[in-house]
Amino acid sequence: EAQVTQNPRYLITVTGKKLTVTCSQNMNHEYMSWYRQDPGLGLRQIYYSMNVEVTDKGDVPEGYKVSRKEKRNFPLILESPSPNQTSLYFCASSSLLPSPLHFGNGTRLTVT
Amino acid sequence: QKEVEQNSGPLSVPEGAIASLNCTYSDRGSQSFFWYRQYSGKSPELIMSIYSNGDKEDGRFTAQLNKASQYVSLLIRDSQPSDSATYLCAVNTGTASKLTFGTGTRLQVTL
Repeated sequence: EAQVTQNPRYLITVTGKKLTVTCSQNMNHEYMSWYRQDPGLGLRQIYYSMNVEVTDKGDVPEGYKVSRKEKRNFPLILESPSPNQTSLYFCASSSLLPSPLHFGNGTRLTVT
Repeated sequence: QKEVEQNSGPLSVPEGAIASLNCTYSDRGSQSFFWYRQYSGKSPELIMSIYSNGDKEDGRFTAQLNKASQYVSLLIRDSQPSDSATYLCAVNTGTASKLTFGTGTRLQVTL
C-alpha cells in the first residue's frame, strides 16, 4: 500500500530535550516536505526536499532541522524544543509539484 | 494580504443541499490548485485538483477555476453528514517547491 508513515503519532516532551520525528514514504517520491498545523494559522511549511541531499527552508524553519540521506526518509529534528513548537506536524510527499501531496497521519507534539 | 484566503466558516448547509466553498489567491502566476478535505485530528486528503480555467467534475464534487479573477471554488452536491470537515484550498505558484495552503473552511452538514 502506498503511504507516508510518520512516527510517533503522539509525543510529549520537555523543553530542551532533543527529539526526532521520522517520516518514510514507499512511493519513490522525489519531493518531501514537513508542515505544522496550528489553529487559525493553517498548514505552514517548515522544510522541504527536492531530492536526496537537497533540502531547503520553508516559511517557518526556525528551531527545526531536517536531513535527506535516502530518498524514502525525511526526519524532522528538534534540537532544543520549546513550548511554541507544540503543534500538529505532517510529513508529505509527491513526485515533484504540481503533483498532489500525499500526507502522513500526523504527529501531535506537546512541549512542556 | 494572505497568499491564499478562505472564509473560516463554519458553513452550515442542510443534508442534500449544495455546499459552495471559495478560495482566492494573490499570485497571478499560480498554475495548479487543489482541494483537500481534513477531518478533525486527521491528515488532509486530496479531493480535487484543477489546472485550467473552467469546471472539473468528479462525482458529487465540482471544482471551478477562474484565473482572471484569481479564485477557485469547490461545489459539493447532495451534501451528506459525512462531508462535515474542514476543506483546505492549496495553490502551487509554479515553482517546484511551494504549495501554499489556506486556513480552511469548516463545513457542517446538518440533518
